[in-house]
Amino acid sequence: SQKIEQNSEALNIQEGKTATLTCNYTNYSPAYLQWYRQDPGRGPVFLLLIRENEKEKRKERLKVTFDTTLKQSLFHITASQPADSATYLCARSGNTGKLIFGQGTTLQVKP
Amino acid sequence: NAGVTQTPKFQVLKTGQSMTLQCAQDMNHNSMYWYRQDPGMGLRLIYYSASEGTTDKGEVPNGYNVSRLNKREFSLRLESAAPSQTSVYFCASSDTGQAAGNTIYFGEGSWLTVV
Repeated sequence: SQKIEQNSEALNIQEGKTATLTCNYTNYSPAYLQWYRQDPGRGPVFLLLIRENEKEKRKERLKVTFDTTLKQSLFHITASQPADSATYLCARSGNTGKLIFGQGTTLQVKP
Repeated sequence: NAGVTQTPKFQVLKTGQSMTLQCAQDMNHNSMYWYRQDPGMGLRLIYYSASEGTTDKGEVPNGYNVSRLNKREFSLRLESAAPSQTSVYFCASSDTGQAAGNTIYFGEGSWLTVV
């Protein structure tokens, strides 16, 4: 099966530090990976997409990497702020053309 | 901009009752989806509609039916609700299918409890 796994344990960091979230996938390399943010009681909101031929993608304080050798994507938030506290979802493209979501990692940024 | 709107926000059903979750998008998207989200399970696709007039099963379709009423609307029906269907349901849409990597836009969710 085409699994995608995120660290289920919450990540707690201090304001100003860089948060790094991990997304691991199994089986064949997906054509792309997407990252979403989800706040409590809300729907997920798209953040970034990275394709398999891209090593890195940036958007403001966000950076995503895609390592097809390690079968892993890393999601970084630099200069983190309490407002960055949320659950972050990773999703991979599957061979049926549908997205497969991870269970999400909750980030808590403390002032 | 409304984006993806789904109703109701909250619903409590008794086992065996039926209900329909309504969803509408105003972005002129071709593809629409219904997901459920359970603790520790992530988002799982129930049904999707690649375009108006077509629907297909996702990962967890049992116990559900869908209708793509027109390009804007995609409803999810529980014919005989079971406690295992207690979950948060999200409707979503995208310009084209997910294979192209298009952004998926989600609604705000519907919290369903079956007692």
